[in-house]
Amino acid sequence: AQSVTQLGSHVSVSEGALVLLRCNYSSSVPPYLFWYVQYPNQGLQLLLKYTSAATLVKGINGFEAEFKKSETSFHLTKPSAHMSDAAEYFCAVTLVGGDKIIFGKGTRLHILP
Amino acid sequence: DAMVIQNPRYQVTQFGKPVTLSCSQTLNHNVMYWYQQKSSQAPKLLFHYYDKDFNNEADTPDNFQSRRPNTSFCFLDIRSPGLGDAAMYLCATSRGLLAAAGTQYFGPGTRLTVL
Repeated sequence: AQSVTQLGSHVSVSEGALVLLRCNYSSSVPPYLFWYVQYPNQGLQLLLKYTSAATLVKGINGFEAEFKKSETSFHLTKPSAHMSDAAEYFCAVTLVGGDKIIFGKGTRLHILP
Repeated sequence: DAMVIQNPRYQVTQFGKPVTLSCSQTLNHNVMYWYQQKSSQAPKLLFHYYDKDFNNEADTPDNFQSRRPNTSFCFLDIRSPGLGDAAMYLCATSRGLLAAAGTQYFGPGTRLTVL
């Protein structure tokens, strides 16, 4: 069965610093991978998705993620954090042929002034 | 703008009193999902509709029911809410199965409080 593990339930970075949110997946077949962002009392918004095309995926708000099969990872990065990036981030996976998405437990990103 | 709308945004009910949450979409997507999200947890899929076909998750309590009268609307009924059902309920849609790398579009959620 597929799953995702997000390392670190809370991550704090200074404004302007690199953001790195870690996600590792477990899947016996190539998956589709997603990063979603959730602001307080809001629904989830798709940041980016990997669908077996380019391994480096660019998303909205300056975020990008790289699919590394050898490491079974799909870490989310942003070169320079902004205060507005403070939110909960969810990594998610679905299998080719699957009809539902499996979410990780989420990482809350705190931005320090 | 095409979107997923959830009403109400905040719902308060009493222990044991039936409650219905509403979701509508203007995306004309054929799949609609209901998730339960408790504080600081990942969304948990309750069930989904593929067109009129209802797909219940194995661990969804019988207390939770759903109706989809047409493509645009989907309802979540909680027959006898318990204190443990207090959560954010998220509705989402997708065009076809996620296998086609379809994106899920989420509504803003309804936060349910059970007194």
